[in-house]
Amino acid sequence: GDSVTQMEGPVTLSEEAFLTINCTYTATGYPSLFWYVQYPGEGLQLLLKATKADDKGSNKGFEATYRKETTSFHLEKGSVQVSDSAVYFCALIGGGADGLTFGKGTHLIIQP
Amino acid sequence: KAGVTQTPRYLIKTRGQQVTLSCSPISGHRSVSWYQQTPGQGLQFLFEYFSETQRNKGNFPGRFSGRQFSNSRSEMNVSTLELGDSALYLCASSSTGGYQETQYFGPGTRLLVL
Repeated sequence: GDSVTQMEGPVTLSEEAFLTINCTYTATGYPSLFWYVQYPGEGLQLLLKATKADDKGSNKGFEATYRKETTSFHLEKGSVQVSDSAVYFCALIGGGADGLTFGKGTHLIIQP
Repeated sequence: KAGVTQTPRYLIKTRGQQVTLSCSPISGHRSVSWYQQTPGQGLQFLFEYFSETQRNKGNFPGRFSGRQFSNSRSEMNVSTLELGDSALYLCASSSTGGYQETQYFGPGTRLLVL
């Protein structure tokens, strides 16, 4: 079945540091890929998405590119802020649309 | 537009009881999906409803069931609760449930089974 693998962390960075959270996936066909973010005590918010190979999703300074050849969708941000502290989930949904398949989540801590 | 709403936000039940959770999707959205979030298993897909019909189902026992009403509101029911059912239950809605669509999540219902 479909699966998503991402580093779980916690990942601790200083403010203004460069962020990369790796995400690789296994899926049949051509899934859509997503990054969601969860702040403490809240539900999931969509951060960005890409629906076909080589698409780049971007939002709030975060970017991720759908790489079919490496089955990856790594999340990057050039300069993180304390307010970016949260749990980040990589997810996919395939053509069969059996719901989103999520990675385990990466807990990101940004220190001032 | 109002977002996805879920009620109640918190619940405490005892083993053997049953529970019903409610989800109101974003206005105009016809697809509603349910997910369970636990520290051990992470986020797992329960089922999806579209136009009052269950269209997809995850790998959960039959104690987990749901339904959708004509106004797209959805309920999820868990019967004969077990300690392991303690979790955050998240509801998500999208326009038609297509795989390229974004699913918008509600704040969740936190269920504690004692």
